Amino acid sequence: QTVVTQEPSLTVSPGGTVTLTCASSPGAVSSGHYPYWFQQKPGQPPRALIYSTSNKYSWTPARFSGSLLGGKAVLTLSGVQPEDEAEYYCLLYYGGAYVFGTGTKVTVL
Amino acid sequence: EVQLVESGGGLVKPGGSLRLSCAASGFTFTNVWMSWVRQAPGKGLEWVGRIKSKIDGGTTDHAAPVKGRFTISRDDSKNTLYLQMNSLKNEDTAVYYCTKGWESWGQGTLVTVSS
Repeated sequence: QTVVTQEPSLTVSPGGTVTLTCASSPGAVSSGHYPYWFQQKPGQPPRALIYSTSNKYSWTPARFSGSLLGGKAVLTLSGVQPEDEAEYYCLLYYGGAYVFGTGTKVTVL
Repeated sequence: EVQLVESGGGLVKPGGSLRLSCAASGFTFTNVWMSWVRQAPGKGLEWVGRIKSKIDGGTTDHAAPVKGRFTISRDDSKNTLYLQMNSLKNEDTAVYYCTKGWESWGQGTLVTVSS
C-alpha cells in the first residue's frame, strides 16, 4: 500500500518563505514519479501549480518553485502572499496509478 | 477556453448505480488523456482513474478502491467523459471532478451514497 505523506499544516508570515514536502512510502520520490503540486481553496477545484517536479504552468506565480530534496518532492513558496493561504496537495505517478498526498494546510498569519 | 462540466451526481442508496458525465469543450478532446478525481467531504483528493486517448490505446486504469465497481469511458464524438459507478458504498460519497491532463478541472458533481 503506497502512502504519500505531507505535513498536515504549516504557518507562515506574509513575505516569508515556507517549504512543503511530499514523501512516498515505501521508497524515495524521484523524477520518475513526475511530481505535481496543486493548490486548493475552499469551495474550489484544485489548481495545478507545478508538473514534473519543477515545471511551472503559465499561470503559476514566480514565487512558487518545485524541486527534489532528500528523497522527497518539495514545494517552496517565497515571498508568501495572503492569497496563498490554501490546501496544497502533491501527486505522484506509480506506473499506471496516481496517488495524491495527504495535503498541507498553509496558513498565512 | 477549456471548459469541463460534470453532471449526473445525486443521492443514491448503497448498492446502487450512477453514471457521471463530463462535457468537454475548448480543446481537441480526442487527443487528451482524462482523469476522474474525488474528494470526500472535508477530506483530501483521491485519484479515481484515467483513460488514455484512443491514439494512445484508449486504455483505462482505476484506483484499487474502485476497481471492479467503477468504469471510465469516453465518447470522442460527443466530447464527453463518463464514470459508471456500480455497487456504490457509503464511502464513495464525494465531489467527483474530471480533469484534463491535471491542468484543467471541472467544478465537480456531488455524489451522496446513503440509505
